[in-house]
Amino acid sequence: AQSVTQLDSQVPVFEEAPVELRCNYSSSVSVYLFWYVQYPNQGLQLLLKYLSGSTLVKGINGFEAEFNKSQTSFHLRKPSVHISDTAEYFCAVSESASSASKIIFGSGTRLSIRP
Amino acid sequence: DAGVIQSPRHEVTEMGQEVTLRCKPISGHNSLFWYRQTMMRGLELLIYFNNNVPIDDSGMPEDRFSAKMPNASFSTLKIQPSEPRDSAVYFCASSLDGGVQETQYFGPGTRLLVL
Repeated sequence: AQSVTQLDSQVPVFEEAPVELRCNYSSSVSVYLFWYVQYPNQGLQLLLKYLSGSTLVKGINGFEAEFNKSQTSFHLRKPSVHISDTAEYFCAVSESASSASKIIFGSGTRLSIRP
Repeated sequence: DAGVIQSPRHEVTEMGQEVTLRCKPISGHNSLFWYRQTMMRGLELLIYFNNNVPIDDSGMPEDRFSAKMPNASFSTLKIQPSEPRDSAVYFCASSLDGGVQETQYFGPGTRLLVL
């Protein structure tokens, strides 16, 4: 069965510093991977997704993620964060291409940016 | 486009009362999802509709929960009777179709507190 683990519940960083949010998954078949962002008092918004092809995926707001099959990871990175990036970030995985109802979300990582 | 619309944004009710949450998906989207978010359990899918038909309701916690989609532009999630453990943020999301490659667009959520 598929599962997704976000090792860090909170990540504090200084403004303009780089950040990496970690995500590992478990699956016995091919997977589809996602990162979502949730700003305070809002719904989730898709940052980026890996369906196939290049393992380096670029998303919105300067974020990117790299799919590493051997390490079963899909870490999210940004070279320089802004105060506006303060939010909760969710990694998600799906083994099914046909139904989005099979997407499993991680527990989330709260990114706090210090000026 | 106005995005996914949910109402009410906040609901406070007493144990035993009926609660109805409403969702208007993005026009033209034929897939609709209801999620529940809590600190303990994270983000969980409750039910998924495709073309107004419930496809996957395996996440509905128990008979107290019911969901309907009478037409392509409206869905409800009802809890009767409500219990304190139902307190959570309930999100509605829609997508063009139910495939994992399609982006899900989330509404702002309904924050429910059952006293």
